[in-house]
Amino acid sequence: DSGVTQTPKHLITATGQRVTLRCSPRSGDLSVYWYQQSLDQGLQFLIHYYNGEERAKGNILERFSAQQFPDLHSELNLSSLELGDSALYFCASNPDGTTTGYTFGSGTRLTVV
Amino acid sequence: AQSVTQLGSHVSVSEGALVLLRCNYSSSVPPYLFWYVQYPNQGLQLLLKYTSAATLVKGINDFEAEFKKSETSFHLTKPSAHMSDAAEYFCAVSVGSARQLTFGSGTQLTVLP
Repeated sequence: DSGVTQTPKHLITATGQRVTLRCSPRSGDLSVYWYQQSLDQGLQFLIHYYNGEERAKGNILERFSAQQFPDLHSELNLSSLELGDSALYFCASNPDGTTTGYTFGSGTRLTVV
Repeated sequence: AQSVTQLGSHVSVSEGALVLLRCNYSSSVPPYLFWYVQYPNQGLQLLLKYTSAATLVKGINDFEAEFKKSETSFHLTKPSAHMSDAAEYFCAVSVGSARQLTFGSGTQLTVLP
């Protein structure tokens, strides 16, 4: 157990739907990062939050959004889902937003049918 | 922008043989470099990291990597492969004040009995 908790582990939904992925960072970690892992794109950085504030955006679609709450958990919202959004979505955390190594969660596998 | 190239998407070694996984980076400034391992249906686990201290970095499970600026390389090695090392390995780079990691495309390591 890495200490980063992601729920749900698996999600199957239909095209056009909206889903919410949840991440609880390791105790004491203020930074949360979201990554998407797919066969064709590999591991892609989506977005970074630090202590509730958005710090950086990567290849995140406009249909996707995220937020980090006061208790530091984070949610990634994916809407108007398409088949191509099927992927593993990882959350990672570290204490202070510097890249001296993240701790990754075990991911949420999203399947869009 | 920084980038990472992992040479060889699949590497096979015999149990007990040397493991060598290649990673070359592109960066105009000194980078931070990382190796992560991903076992099936799991998240990414940090093996080791280079953050401008010693150029030879030792990680978990007897893995090590050497930062070679002249060759822009950060190859991962292990003297003797074990069956449990079979997994996918990712090299990643981060530069300067950037918060996110840029990952290579991964190398699938197979260990043959």
